[in-house]
Amino acid sequence: DTEVTQTPKHLVMGMTNKKSLKCEQHMGHRAMYWYKQKAKKPPELMFVYSYEKLSINESVPSRFSPECPNSSLLNLHLHALQPEDSALYLCASSRGTSGGVGQETQYFGPGTRLLVL
Amino acid sequence: AQSVAQPEDQVNVAEGNPLTVKCTYSVSGNPYLFWYVQYPNRGLQFLLKYITGDNLVKGSYGFEAEFNKSQTSFHLKKPSALVSDSALYFCAAVRGGATNKLIFGTGTLLAVQP
Repeated sequence: DTEVTQTPKHLVMGMTNKKSLKCEQHMGHRAMYWYKQKAKKPPELMFVYSYEKLSINESVPSRFSPECPNSSLLNLHLHALQPEDSALYLCASSRGTSGGVGQETQYFGPGTRLLVL
Repeated sequence: AQSVAQPEDQVNVAEGNPLTVKCTYSVSGNPYLFWYVQYPNRGLQFLLKYITGDNLVKGSYGFEAEFNKSQTSFHLKKPSALVSDSALYFCAAVRGGATNKLIFGTGTLLAVQP
């Protein structure tokens, strides 16, 4: 099973709402990633978790709060977002067992398309 | 600064013709190089990867890529394009042996006409 699942597929939220994005993988991977992607642009890395610990935070605003409850699950909690945060949010995972997670093949989920009004 | 360049925003090719999507990189040390494809409203899908060894890497769906160290290039190729190959293609690189983030190119939209 090489599938990464993400829920919900679509999300519309107001600037005062609190919502969460969920990502799950059952490949035994120990590294998980959150990316933000604007239309027809490359993904921008937000966070990396390695063995359930946050290893990379790309200076993401605190209105985005990641959480890795276990090795299969990754959440992204959203609060007080801005309209410019509207984007496709992609989750990815990789084995996490090599010397550098960046050099591993990443498997991406289909994404959550977020619209902030 | 490390970077990946995809000089063409869009590549148009007729079905059945060979296709090439270009990528050059500027990464210190020995790079790991990737190609990913993104179909509309989907996540990225891994196509192939170069680590070391044979300069010609074969990947999924009949795609291959050639690593050229002297030209710092990693062009994606396919001998015969299909309409279903139409998608957004991203080249990516990372310095080998380090815990660094993947550096993506800007993407190339491949349009295959029937």
